[in-house]
Amino acid sequence: AQKITQTQPGMFVQEKEAVTLDCTYDTSDQSYGLFWYKQPSSGEMIFLIYQGSYDEQNATEGRYSLNFQKARKSANLVISASQLGDSAMYFCAMRVNNDMRFGAGTRLTVKP
Amino acid sequence: NAGVTQTPKFQVLKTGQSMTLQCAQDMNHEYMSWYRQDPGMGLRLIHYSVGAGITDQGEVPNGYNVSRSTTEDFPLRLLSAAPSQTSVYFCASSKGQGREQYFGPGTRLTVT
Repeated sequence: AQKITQTQPGMFVQEKEAVTLDCTYDTSDQSYGLFWYKQPSSGEMIFLIYQGSYDEQNATEGRYSLNFQKARKSANLVISASQLGDSAMYFCAMRVNNDMRFGAGTRLTVKP
Repeated sequence: NAGVTQTPKFQVLKTGQSMTLQCAQDMNHEYMSWYRQDPGMGLRLIHYSVGAGITDQGEVPNGYNVSRSTTEDFPLRLLSAAPSQTSVYFCASSKGQGREQYFGPGTRLTVT
């Protein structure tokens, strides 16, 4: 069965600094997709970034980048130049075929 | 273009009652899914559909039914509500399996 693990329940970062949110995954399938979502206190789920298992380059979307290390089965999210509006829950997720699994999330707090 | 809509936003049920959570999307997406989010946990997949007339179970399907008679609509039925089904329910859609899922705003359900 697929599994996603986020080991950091909470993280703090100073405004304008970079922060890395950890995510490890477990699957025996060779084809899968990795996602990061942001959930602000208002509750909506906001897509941030996607990495396919066969993508050779790490995905980047503006200030977000995904550090994909396939051999270590990790897919860490890096947020550069943190902003106060980045304070939220962040979820890592993996899709294998039609099965989608989410991690428990990391609460990021950006300090002014 | 409304994206993914869900109704109602809030609902309180008594144990044993049945109800249907509505989900609709106007993006002509083939893939639709239902998740539940419990406190301190990530989202868990309940049921999904890869197209009209095709549905399948996710990680936590017990106590829920779905149908997909049109591309646009994917209702979730609670057959006999239980307190364990108190949760926030999200509907999502995507163009096929890969990449971004678009989430609805969620329905907060309380079963007493």
